[in-house]
Parts: sequence; C-alpha cells; structure tokens
Amino acid sequence: ETGVTQSPTHLIKTRGQQVTLRCSSQSGHNTVSWYQQALGQGPQFIFQYYREEENGRGNFPPRFSGLQFPNYSSELNVNALELDDSALYLCASSLTGGLAGAIGELFFGEGSRLTVL
Amino acid sequence: AQSVAQPEDQVNVAEGNPLTVKCTYSVSGNPYLFWYVQYPNRGLQFLLKYITGDNLVKGSYGFEAEFNKSQTSFHLKKPSALVSDSALYFCAVRERGNAGNMLTFGGGTRLMVKP
Repeated sequence: ETGVTQSPTHLIKTRGQQVTLRCSSQSGHNTVSWYQQALGQGPQFIFQYYREEENGRGNFPPRFSGLQFPNYSSELNVNALELDDSALYLCASSLTGGLAGAIGELFFGEGSRLTVL
Repeated sequence: AQSVAQPEDQVNVAEGNPLTVKCTYSVSGNPYLFWYVQYPNRGLQFLLKYITGDNLVKGSYGFEAEFNKSQTSFHLKKPSALVSDSALYFCAVRERGNAGNMLTFGGGTRLMVKP
C-alpha cells in the first residue's frame, strides 16, 4: 500500500455534468500529480501541484482544473464532461518535487474510475 | 517533446526463464527513466529508476534495467520469472529541467508468465 487514497473509486456521470475527484497524499509528501489512464493505454499527465500552486500541466483543456490544500490533499475537477473523459484517474504523491525539478518516484493511489454516458 | 515506446503489447515467458520487456525513449538531453508495474484494478507501483551513474539499475522484486544511451533504450529484465510477475508494465521518462514529476509513460506491455 502506498498510503495514497482516492475517492470515489467508481462513478458514473452523463455528458455535460461536472465531477470532483479527491486524493489524500501519503504523509509527508508535498507534491501531487494527476494522470488520466484511458482503457488499454498508459497514463497521461494532467497537471501537478506543489505548495498549493499548479506547477506543470499536460495537454488537457482548461475544463480540467485542480486544487491542493494546506494538508497536501488534492482535488481534480472536470467540467462539461465528454464521453472521451471516461477513464481511470490516478493521483500520485511524491516527497520531492517543486520548481527546482527535484526527482522522486511517484506513489500512486488505486484510482477513480469515471464512466461518462 | 519527450516520448516513450514499448514495442510489444504482450510478452509471454515460462516460469523460471529470463524475461525482457523493451522500452525506447526520445527526449532532449539526458533523461530520467522509470519502470512501473500495474496489477489488475490497482494503481501503479514504482519498480526502479535511472538517474545517473551505473547503467545497470536494480529495483524491487528482483527486477533490473539497463540504460543504453546510444540505443536510447531502457529495457526491463529479470533473470528468472515468477507467475506472480504477470502484470502490466510501464516505462516512463522525464526530461531534466521539467518541473516536479511530470512523467511521460509508454503504452504498456502485458507480461504473462506461465507455469
């Protein structure tokens, strides 16, 4: 177990709705990343938060947004859901990170599986 | 832009035999390289990483990987496969200078170890 917990584990939404996914980081970690893993594919980087600020973003539209809280937990929000948003959303925390580009392996949660109908 | 290729969708090996899961990468400059494993309905687990130094990196569960700069490869290996090694394996790369831990993953290779 990595100590990273995500909720909910599964959810079903319809097109156009909004969803919030939550992540609790491993104790002591200060960086949270979110990844989208479509069925049969590798994870794709959405964005990363360090000290409550976004400090890296992948090729995802602005309707994907996030927050990091003082306790280093995090939320991923997706507005105006589309069918292609159906995927496993993975949260990863790390001990090192930040603007200096420090290296650390990622500790992943088990993911939130989103189905958009 | 950085990218990772895992040319084999699936690798089949008999228990006790050596295994190799292939990975090649493209990145500007020197890379940071990683291997992760994913079991069914689970998140990814870190196996090993190459940052600098010795080209042969040892990781968890007896796995190792060899960094080859000239071939831009980072193949995962294990001398003797176990049935419990059956899982989905992902290679990932990060450019030096990128903020934090933005990893680019390959498409994954399913390893099937048969008794």
